[in-house]
Amino acid sequence: DAGVTQSPTHLIKTRGQQVTLRCSPKSGHDTVSWYQQALGQGPQFIFQYYEEEERQRGNFPDRFSGHQFPNYSSELNVNALWLGDSALYLCASSLAGHYGYTFGSGTRLTVV
Amino acid sequence: GENVEQHPSTLSVQEGDSAVIKCTYSDSASNYFPWYKQELGKRPQLIIDIRSNVGEKKDQRIAVTLNKTAKHFSLHITETQPEDSAVYFCAASNAGNMLTFGGGTRLMVKP
Repeated sequence: DAGVTQSPTHLIKTRGQQVTLRCSPKSGHDTVSWYQQALGQGPQFIFQYYEEEERQRGNFPDRFSGHQFPNYSSELNVNALWLGDSALYLCASSLAGHYGYTFGSGTRLTVV
Repeated sequence: GENVEQHPSTLSVQEGDSAVIKCTYSDSASNYFPWYKQELGKRPQLIIDIRSNVGEKKDQRIAVTLNKTAKHFSLHITETQPEDSAVYFCAASNAGNMLTFGGGTRLMVKP
């Protein structure tokens, strides 16, 4: 299955630490978007990467940063973790200029 | 920016009944409206989508309607089954840009 792959699946970090989450897009997709889903809420857009550049950004602080590699995979970095950063982080891939997004299974981040 | 509102937040129906979930959006530039089903602890899965040049789309027991003038779209599930129980999210997007999600509807289908 050449769907979206995210790692790790679960992660526990201490407040103030830094974390890196990884995403490999679906085969044939070139755009990666990251979403934060707090418990009981809809996913909130963090940012989108295309051609190794951040193309769009949601209302998230600079503590959230990302990167896209030449093979289209992507990383999400969060610095100075807060308790409120505890959430399911979803990666979605798509093909630029086309409709349709494929979501990964997410990384469950718990900040203690 | 885009704002998507979704109602109701919870919906309980008897097996075999129909379920309707409604969403409104604010940005007239939005032209793609997907619906996702999310089971507990799992990824959102696309169940149906509609583009702004179409007023209605149907796939077996699921249908979506779009009213561009009123800026609202709805999900209709007929002959509900217990396995339809999940959280459903509507979303709006402009040509491959960010998805803006509604707050979700928890659908419970009672056998």
